[in-house]
Amino acid sequence: DQQVKQNSPSLSVQEGRISILNCDYTNSMFDYFLWYKKYPAEGPTFLISISSIKDKNEDGRFTVFLNKSAKHLSLHIVPSQPGDSAVYFCAASVSPGFKTIFGAGTRLFVKA
Amino acid sequence: NAGVTQTPKFQVLKTGQSMTLQCAQDMNHEYMSWYRQDPGMGLRLIHYSVGAGITDQGEVPNGYNVSRSTTEDFPLRLLSAAPSQTSVYFCASSESTGLLNTEAFFGQGTRLTVV
Repeated sequence: DQQVKQNSPSLSVQEGRISILNCDYTNSMFDYFLWYKKYPAEGPTFLISISSIKDKNEDGRFTVFLNKSAKHLSLHIVPSQPGDSAVYFCAASVSPGFKTIFGAGTRLFVKA
Repeated sequence: NAGVTQTPKFQVLKTGQSMTLQCAQDMNHEYMSWYRQDPGMGLRLIHYSVGAGITDQGEVPNGYNVSRSTTEDFPLRLLSAAPSQTSVYFCASSESTGLLNTEAFFGQGTRLTVV
């Protein structure tokens, strides 16, 4: 039973436009959510996070939105750049602790 | 800065062989974990540790053993390799802040093939 779901395996976006990556979770105990970015042959790297006490967190071109009632979060990238082409993983955990659960990932293609 | 170092980067095993995947971090992080990445499955947690001497099972622990004798090292042991363990393995570490989780730092991965 997948507790963190990323239902879109891939997404293609034109350079300069907005990329929206979605993530749903089933465990209502999750209170900390993260997005990681992964390039081929490299380990995932942290991108942005959000605590359940917030509904939005922004870092430059990246914004994460959290809708607790819908158990849904999304990552917005504006404007999208070709270097953003990568696999994006959504992850969730229960504080305190470290048992972080990841989604299956969404591969983003940003076309020049 | 080395961060999280995994060795080896690539490994081919025969069914039934044993091996240890090494993971070391130099950031004095308390939390360490092992994940496997399979197509369409994302990253699945195998085992994790919240400090030296303390380990626990993740989502897919069967076929794997871990121990944590030092803060720096968290090796993953495959006692009898099976083709189903063909995967890319990632080790990660993160800082303990007591109350809140923090982001994890990942190694470069070990690509394991079991034939």
